[in-house]
Amino acid sequence: AQKVTQAQTEISVVEKEDVTLDCVYETRDTTYYLFWYKQPPSGELVFLIRRNSFDEQNEISGRYSWNFQKSTSSFNFTITASQVVDSAVYFCALSEAQGGSEKLVFGKGTKLTVNP
Amino acid sequence: DAGVIQSPRHEVTEMGQEVTLRCKPISGHNSLFWYRQTMMRGLELLIYFNNNVPIDDSGMPEDRFSAKMPNASFSTLKIQPSEPRDSAVYFCASSSRENTHEQYFGPGTRLTVT
Repeated sequence: AQKVTQAQTEISVVEKEDVTLDCVYETRDTTYYLFWYKQPPSGELVFLIRRNSFDEQNEISGRYSWNFQKSTSSFNFTITASQVVDSAVYFCALSEAQGGSEKLVFGKGTKLTVNP
Repeated sequence: DAGVIQSPRHEVTEMGQEVTLRCKPISGHNSLFWYRQTMMRGLELLIYFNNNVPIDDSGMPEDRFSAKMPNASFSTLKIQPSEPRDSAVYFCASSSRENTHEQYFGPGTRLTVT
């Protein structure tokens, strides 16, 4: 069965600090997708990134970077030089591709607070 | 382009009443998903459709919940009768054939059942 664990429930940092959000996943499939979504205080879910299981290259987008390591079943998210606007709940999610299912399984989320 | 549209944004109803939530997916998207978010259970998939056909409804809590997708641009999630434990935020999401597994979410409907 697929499972996503975000062990950090809440993180609080001061502006300009770097912060890493951890995500560990479990799946029996060899083909799968991993995601990060952001949920700001306004409540909507914002898609940040999708990664497939065959692509272990790390990705950087501005202040955001993602580290995918199949050996440890982890897909961690780092925000560099955090800003107050980064305050949100961040969700990691997994979708198994075999069988054609598009079901997303979410972690419980990590609430990030960036203080000025 | 408009994103996923959900209505109403907020709904307050009394226990026992019927509630209907509505969703319009992004134009051209062929998969539609209904999720529920609560503090206790987090985000969980209720049901999803592909080309208007229900594919996986294993997350639908019980017979009080039903979902339909009569055409490619509209879906409803109905709760009848509603109960206080149904209070949650209900999200609709859609994805395209070209980018399956990449779901875009609507703003959600916050349901309160008193």
